[in-house]
Amino acid sequence: QPVVTQSSSASASLGSSVKLTCTLSSGHSSYIIAWHQLQPGKAPRYLMKLEGSGRYNKGSGVPDRFSGSSSGADRFLTISNLQSEDEADYYCETWDTNTQVFGTGTKVTVL
Amino acid sequence: EVLLLESGGGLVQPGGSLRLSCAASGFIFTNYAMNWVRQAPGKGLEWVSSISGSGDSTYFAESVKGRFTISRDNSKSTLSLQMSSLRAEDTALYYCAIRDTTVTTNWGQGTLVTVSS
Repeated sequence: QPVVTQSSSASASLGSSVKLTCTLSSGHSSYIIAWHQLQPGKAPRYLMKLEGSGRYNKGSGVPDRFSGSSSGADRFLTISNLQSEDEADYYCETWDTNTQVFGTGTKVTVL
Repeated sequence: EVLLLESGGGLVQPGGSLRLSCAASGFIFTNYAMNWVRQAPGKGLEWVSSISGSGDSTYFAESVKGRFTISRDNSKSTLSLQMSSLRAEDTALYYCAIRDTTVTTNWGQGTLVTVSS
């Protein structure tokens, strides 16, 4: 079963960019992942599905500021032109043998 | 528009039971596997259970295996989670979600389950 690792926190200034990393465990570097945004009091938001090739498919209404990329076992979420409403917890998710696996989440703070 | 509306949460004593429901609309329900995912207070997301589109196959996290049952009624586009032998550590916000092949692509608002005496 894969394990996905995320750093616990990240911060960046309003209007700048931040790049979050989700690392897949050994033997699972080709796996597809999804990125989700969680904010207090709101339903979780699916952001995108991201392949090992770097190709990604965003969810409905997700701003262009959100993009994905990949390198080996690493999957990245880049938020450009950071806005105050982007302050949230971001989780990556993958799947294997009928089990969903979530990372521990990265808390993004907008300075 | 895809909508997932959970209900059935509440306060229950340890050892008790609770049934969660999720009313789905805006998509062809039978075409998608469905997940229950939870988030305990101050914690991250934890997958709880999945069911195939037909309802023939079900899967559970080890933490709930033998205590929780997942089912669906495709004629009514509803998903259910029957929870029994509840423990304090089951306290969480429970989300109904669509699984598109491998990953979750839509979420409900969640329903809160509190297990406490």
